[in-house]
Amino acid sequence: EPEVTQTPSHQVTQMGQEVILRCVPISNHLYFYWYRQILGQKVEFLVSFYNNEISEKSEIFDDQFSVERPDGSNFTLKIRSTKLEDSAMYFCASGVTQETQYFGPGTRLLVL
Amino acid sequence: GNSVTQMEGPVTLSEEAFLTINCTYTATGYPSLFWYVQYPGEGLQLLLKATKADDKGSNKGFEATYRKETTSFHLEKGSVQVSDSAVYFCALSDRNDYKLSFGAGTTVTVRA
Repeated sequence: EPEVTQTPSHQVTQMGQEVILRCVPISNHLYFYWYRQILGQKVEFLVSFYNNEISEKSEIFDDQFSVERPDGSNFTLKIRSTKLEDSAMYFCASGVTQETQYFGPGTRLLVL
Repeated sequence: GNSVTQMEGPVTLSEEAFLTINCTYTATGYPSLFWYVQYPGEGLQLLLKATKADDKGSNKGFEATYRKETTSFHLEKGSVQVSDSAVYFCALSDRNDYKLSFGAGTTVTVRA
């Protein structure tokens, strides 16, 4: 059964550094998403992406965040200058339709 | 705005016990409702869904019925197994933007 995959599984970075989180969505999916879960808090929507552009983004998704689908298979989330409060589990999701989203295993990001 | 409230855990049960996890929601319009499960060390897996009132979602012995009159989507399983130990998330998606709003998650531990 096809799955969404994410790399790396864990990332530790210094405050102010750039990080790129990578996702490979399921191959025939058209809709792509990033969510995050800060420890002890709810899973929060960050951004949705369709047809090579952002369709929706949350207040969290400010100018330090960007997404890209560089080669038709990968879907990346870049954080330009990480802050301590960016420490969280980041989940990628994809779907054939908007209605049902399939999640990857997550990348745990720790900003020191 | 949209929100999901689910019963707080942790919930500890013996094998073969009956499990109920309550979930209620607030939404504008007519959302789709989901239960996701997160097994230890893994990502979010779609467990079941319902897209309109009175629909029943079911999978792996779990069931949930979309109750519009009580704005609820309670998860039930008649006889749990140790392998059902996980965190269960109730979620909704709005048909305007399809971003998922999650509950806080309920940790379930099943003891042999």
